[in-house]
Amino acid sequence: AQRVTQPEKLLSVFKGAPVELKCNYSYSGSPELFWYVQYSRQRLQLLLRHISRESIKGFTADLNKGETSFHLKKPFAQEEDSAMYYCALRLTSNTGKLIFGQGTTLQVKP
Amino acid sequence: GAVVSQHPSWVICKSGTSVKIECRSLDFQATTMFWYRQFPKQSLMLMATSNEGSKATYEQGVEKDKFLINHASLTLSTLTVTSAHPEDSSFYICSAPAAGGPGGEQYFGPGTRLTVT
Repeated sequence: AQRVTQPEKLLSVFKGAPVELKCNYSYSGSPELFWYVQYSRQRLQLLLRHISRESIKGFTADLNKGETSFHLKKPFAQEEDSAMYYCALRLTSNTGKLIFGQGTTLQVKP
Repeated sequence: GAVVSQHPSWVICKSGTSVKIECRSLDFQATTMFWYRQFPKQSLMLMATSNEGSKATYEQGVEKDKFLINHASLTLSTLTVTSAHPEDSSFYICSAPAAGGPGGEQYFGPGTRLTVT
């Protein structure tokens, strides 16, 4: 069965510290993985996707098929990074369905 | 960028009544829209895929007769919670892929908070 696991409900770091939000997935097909972010009182928005291999707001994520992981990293956290982060798996059956992880709240302290 | 709106943003209804939630794509057409449910501090759970011009596809465990979905046009999908009960209280979110069919980048609505008393 398809599953996305984010083991940490809350990650609290100080400003300037490195951040790594963990995401593991389970899927027998070829995965498409995404990170979405939800800032306080705002809607869910796409942060980055593995196929673009880009860096957004200093965040990067690399798909590791061997470890079935897609961890989100940032070398120096900023206070404005505080938000809820969701890892999501899109099934490649062309249905467009997204399977979300449980979400991790990132709290960046001053 | 593409914008998805939802109406209402919040609603309170009495147990046993029905409530309709609208999801609109404001500046693009969407043949497919998705409906999610989110409990407090929990993940989004996909409820159903709304298909313009055909029946919705429901996820396992979601009652079709309770959560009626109608994709009336290329810019509007509605979710009607029928005979609502307090356990239906939740945050309902819709999303729509902006281009190229279901596989396009999805844009999310702001959500509708339903409280059933």
